[in-house]
Amino acid sequence: GAVVSQHPSRVICKSGTSVKIECRSLDFQATTMFWYRQFPKKSLMLMATSNEGSKATYEQGVEKDKFLINHASLTLSTLTVTSAHPEDSSFYICSARPSSTRDRTKETQYFGPGTRLLVL
Amino acid sequence: GQNIDQPTEMTATEGAIVQINCTYQTSGFNGLFWYQQHAGEAPTFLSYNVLDGLEEKGRFSSFLSRSKGYSYLLLKELQMKDSASYLCAVRGIGDYKLSFGAGTTVTVRA
Repeated sequence: GAVVSQHPSRVICKSGTSVKIECRSLDFQATTMFWYRQFPKKSLMLMATSNEGSKATYEQGVEKDKFLINHASLTLSTLTVTSAHPEDSSFYICSARPSSTRDRTKETQYFGPGTRLLVL
Repeated sequence: GQNIDQPTEMTATEGAIVQINCTYQTSGFNGLFWYQQHAGEAPTFLSYNVLDGLEEKGRFSSFLSRSKGYSYLLLKELQMKDSASYLCAVRGIGDYKLSFGAGTTVTVRA
């Protein structure tokens, strides 16, 4: 149980285009999902908290107009990188926190497998 | 804010024990997590401490001292597959956000 998927796993795009990344909780509902980015050999940096049915909360320094987040259902959150540039190339990881306490183990978040974005 | 420190790299021999330390200075504390991350993959949950003391789970144990802002992850009977990055993460009060340390890369040698 507690599986989170991400799609696509890898994407290469041209500078100036937009890329959408999906994060799905497959066997549980998640009111809250988180989006992180990770540079090579660096830690995960929280970008934003995605809440079902409401606006996402962005961390300081993260442009909300550049990284659009939509949490349309209890099992799906999307991150759209708009007008991507080479400096946006990174590993994007989502995580999901189960809504039900029955599904929670030690209050942890469950991570997706990540999406590697390369902007040329 | 959160300031979380852990060593960058550690090397150990197969079958040995390695202890990864993590110190933190946070504006609020509501639990400390350890995750394992293999290169190019997502982190996987290893342990969670919210009270002082030792939590043991098979070959892995985690310790927390809240007064000292200190935790460690102990890996026993090291196996080659344990070569990975180990991330220490602290959860703040009032939300479920995690702040991660930079990670410790453990290399297990035969």
